Order: sequence, then C-alpha cells, then structure tokens
Amino acid sequence: GQQVMQIPQYQHVQEGEDFTTYCNSSTTLSNIQWYKQRPGGHPVFLIQLVKSGEVKKQKRLTFQFGEAKKNSSLHITATQTTDVGTYFCAGRGGNQFYFGTGTSLTVIP
Amino acid sequence: DGGITQSPKYLFRKEGQNVTLSCEQNLNHDAMYWYRQDPGQGLRLIYYSQIVNDFQKGDIAEGYSVSREKKESFPLTVTSAQKNPTAFYLCASRTARNPTSPLHFGNGTRLTVT
Repeated sequence: GQQVMQIPQYQHVQEGEDFTTYCNSSTTLSNIQWYKQRPGGHPVFLIQLVKSGEVKKQKRLTFQFGEAKKNSSLHITATQTTDVGTYFCAGRGGNQFYFGTGTSLTVIP
Repeated sequence: DGGITQSPKYLFRKEGQNVTLSCEQNLNHDAMYWYRQDPGQGLRLIYYSQIVNDFQKGDIAEGYSVSREKKESFPLTVTSAQKNPTAFYLCASRTARNPTSPLHFGNGTRLTVT
C-alpha cells in the first residue's frame, strides 16, 4: 500500500531555534495535509496543500509541497514552548488518508 | 458545540474479551474513520465509512469490526482475534462533499488489554 515516511522521528531544540520536518510519499499525492498533536491530545488540522510547488505560511510556520507532489515539509521559525507536540503529514489517496510516522518536537526553554 | 465524542477515555479489558469503542459525531459528516496509534508508527487506518450501512477495510482491519447503522455513530469492536489490541484509538470524521476537507478527530480511547 501507499507509504508516507517522515523524518526525523524525534527532534529536540532550544527555544528560539528553527525546526523542520520532512514528509516523503512513495506515490504522487493529490493533496497533503498537516496535523499537530499536543502531548495527551488528538491530532488537529493545521493546513492543506494542493498545488505542485505550493508554499503556505501561518505566522512562524511555513509549509511546502514538492514539485512532483511526492514530498512536503513544515518549517517552524524561532520555536516556542507552545510548539511542543507531534507533527503529522497526511496524503490523500482515493478515499483514504495515509499518515506519516510523525515528528515529535521537544522545545527546551 | 459540534464535535466528535469518543468514550470511554480509558478502557481496560482481559485478554480474550471483545470490547466496543464508541464514536459519535454531531457535525453532520458523511465519512467516519478509525485509526490506531502506536508509539513511533503514526496513525494507521483500521476501517472507514463513506456512507451509512457501508464501510471499507483499512490497512490493519484484521481483528476489528465496525458498523454504521446511523450517520452519527461508528462503533469499533476490538475482537479477541486482534493480536496486540493495546493502543490509542482515534475516531475521525469529515464531510464527503468536499474531497479535500480535513479530518476532525475525537479525543481518543486508550485501550489496555492484559
């Protein structure tokens, strides 16, 4: 079946440092969504990318969709303690969403 | 407030027993999903349903069963055939009218089988 891999699995950063997580699919995706799961919580939708090469920003977060629509990245500038959590990408194939393995972000104050 | 309710939050069962996890939504969403979350493995799809009285197997359906008798409800039964049932189970829903609509998740049920 379709596979979506994310790296790194874990990332520890000092508060104020930047953070990036990468998502790679084995097949072309029609779109890609990003979710954030706080510790002990449930995934919450952040954003969706649809077009090849698309870049979207949400305050300190920058999301990018690759030209071939097989990879994506999430970059956080100047991390804050509120950024702590696990970030998942999810690619849509047919009626299913294939989630990446997630990147767990720890921000050290 | 509209949302997805999963109950209970924590569930404990003895090995060999079937257990049913509840998922109810009042968002008027057509599609509902069940995911299993294990550390380091992300979310894996168990079953999904696009419409009442219809559902499809996901990647890890073995040992699970579902029903979709009402639009609002999508209960998941973890049977004794499931080899490693201890996990965090997440229910989600979305409107099927828009093919790019995101998933809305419930708070999850943490199942422990001993």
